[in-house]
Amino acid sequence: DAGVTQSPTHLIKTRGQQVTLRCSPISGHKSVSWYQQVLGQGPQFIFQYYEKEERGRGNFPDRFSARQFPNYSSELNVNALLLGDSALYLCASRGGLAGVYEQYFGPGTRLTVT
Amino acid sequence: KNEVEQSPQNLTAQEGEFITINCSYSVGISALHWLQQHPGGGIVSLFMLSSGKKKHGRLIATINIQEKHSSLHITASHPRDSAVYICAVRSPNSGGGADGLTFGKGTHLIIQP
Repeated sequence: DAGVTQSPTHLIKTRGQQVTLRCSPISGHKSVSWYQQVLGQGPQFIFQYYEKEERGRGNFPDRFSARQFPNYSSELNVNALLLGDSALYLCASRGGLAGVYEQYFGPGTRLTVT
Repeated sequence: KNEVEQSPQNLTAQEGEFITINCSYSVGISALHWLQQHPGGGIVSLFMLSSGKKKHGRLIATINIQEKHSSLHITASHPRDSAVYICAVRSPNSGGGADGLTFGKGTHLIIQP
């Protein structure tokens, strides 16, 4: 069974542009979370979606938005890119919200803003 | 907001040594994760703990809920264990959102042959 997949793998954008990152969860998983990992730091929580509804949002500006589709895949959008948005963006899926559910991470999308 | 601290930040050891990585957090949690991240970025979940101890191969994870502390141990370490090990906690009021994790900065482990 396929794990969490993300696309694209790498992306280079210039300041002011917009970017869309995509994530497909493990089959049957309804929860998708997005994280930003800046070089040398631990990941930071951006969003969590469950059953197509936003369930949580981290301390990120409104330039960051996301959505979840009926097939539970998700997109993360970032507008008006800044140099500081350069990071590894990780997606993770879970089978449910209860604490017993393990979280599985995708390989990440490395975004470079120039 | 939960604060997650890991120690040490960097650790270099010889092959075969017993390795311990520590994690402490400031607020009560529902679960603690130990994660492994190799160069290139992909994260693999090693353990999810809410109490006690878990063992998988040469890896052992323990958690003390009262002391808000967890340790990851690696026995008979091997160069392929070289990676960044990250502790992450889940709690409703962690600042990580309804279900988001709060991560430590990671421990960069190098095992030399």
